[in-house]
Amino acid sequence: DTAVSQTPKYLVTQMGNDKSIKCEQNLGHDTMYWYKQDSKKFLKIMFSYNNKELIINETVPNRFSPKSPDKAHLNLHINSLELGDSAVYFCASSYVGDTQYFGPGTRLTVL
Amino acid sequence: SQQGEEDPQALSIQEGENATMNCSYKTSINNLQWYRQNSGRGLVHLILIRSNEREKHSGRLRVTLDTSKKSSSLLITASRAADTASYFCATDSPGGYQKVTFGTGTKLQVIP
Repeated sequence: DTAVSQTPKYLVTQMGNDKSIKCEQNLGHDTMYWYKQDSKKFLKIMFSYNNKELIINETVPNRFSPKSPDKAHLNLHINSLELGDSAVYFCASSYVGDTQYFGPGTRLTVL
Repeated sequence: SQQGEEDPQALSIQEGENATMNCSYKTSINNLQWYRQNSGRGLVHLILIRSNEREKHSGRLRVTLDTSKKSSSLLITASRAADTASYFCATDSPGGYQKVTFGTGTKLQVIP
């Protein structure tokens, strides 16, 4: 069974659209994250939630809004998509201070 | 600015040889982790080494940590073609909830 899953795997959309990426973990972890990996493979944390509470928000435009309905889910909604949002987005989960387990990634392409 | 810098950026070796990748970071850490990413895939955790540890082994992997130099190395012994991937170090800084910062990565190619 997949420990950290993301949907969709690929997302191709026009500039200006609104889209969501979903993430679920079945590991019982209390902390979940969203990372963005750009074309140069640089991986940067965007958000972190602990027990449904936002604890890290790394100067991400407010067009990005994470939502955690429960400890096992952390969804990412993006409004008014821009070309620069094209990247691979990774979800991860962990216990606080412990190893992070990553999802397979969602490749977002904004045309 | 970015916490971890990997060196070299790219490494190409023959199967059976050892591969060494280095990571340097800037601030104090709780722990340092190494991850592998195969092309087009997610990250896979390899080893976590805590700030009070100096060396750790896992199979063909050996990680060292020198907190005085703010550096770590990952050694893969007897490399295999399946080890071809990008390798990232990630540091977890003290002072609250886990904020993990990733380095730039080393792209390793193992030639059969």
